[in-house]
Amino acid sequence: AQSVAQPEDQVNVAEGNPLTVKCTYSVSGNPYLFWYVQYPNRGLQFLLKYITGDNLVKGSYGFEAEFNKSQTSFHLKKPSALVSDSALYFCAVRGYGGSQGNLIFGKGTKLSVKP
Amino acid sequence: GAGVSQSPRYKVAKRGQDVALRCDPISGHVSLFWYQQALGQGPEFLTYFQNEAQLDKSGLPSDRFFAERPEGSVSTLKIQRTQQEDSAVYLCASSLARGGGRANEQFFGPGTRLTVL
Repeated sequence: AQSVAQPEDQVNVAEGNPLTVKCTYSVSGNPYLFWYVQYPNRGLQFLLKYITGDNLVKGSYGFEAEFNKSQTSFHLKKPSALVSDSALYFCAVRGYGGSQGNLIFGKGTKLSVKP
Repeated sequence: GAGVSQSPRYKVAKRGQDVALRCDPISGHVSLFWYQQALGQGPEFLTYFQNEAQLDKSGLPSDRFFAERPEGSVSTLKIQRTQQEDSAVYLCASSLARGGGRANEQFFGPGTRLTVL
């Protein structure tokens, strides 16, 4: 069965510092991996995805993620955090089988960026 | 352009009442998904449509949950005889790709927050 784990409930970072939000996955087959961000009272917004190719994927708002097959990880990173990056971040893997690819989400990680 | 819209944004129901939640996907999007997001959790899959066909309803938690998309665009998620455990945010997402387009991202609406008293 496919699954995603986000080991940190919350990540605290000072503005201007680099940030990392961790994600590990378990799939049978090639993983299709996604990161979404959720602001209060708003839906999930797509940040980036890994399908194939380069292990470093660049996405919206200066975010990037590194796919590591041997460690089954897909950590989200940003070189310099902004206060406005404070939000809830979800890692997801695309399912297999008859669902035609529903997303399987982690529990989410709350990112807090302090000035 | 217009994104995915959902209505109502907030719904309060008394236990035992029926509710209907609406989703307007992005125009032209073939695939439509419903997810349930409990407080402090990630979204969980409920059901999937490709055009008007409901291809997967394996995530629906009980037979009180019913979804339809009769003309292949707007979708309605109906919950009969609501229970307190149904309280959650219900998210709708759409995607351009037909079945097999697993590489395509899904676009989410703002959700409907359902509170069952």
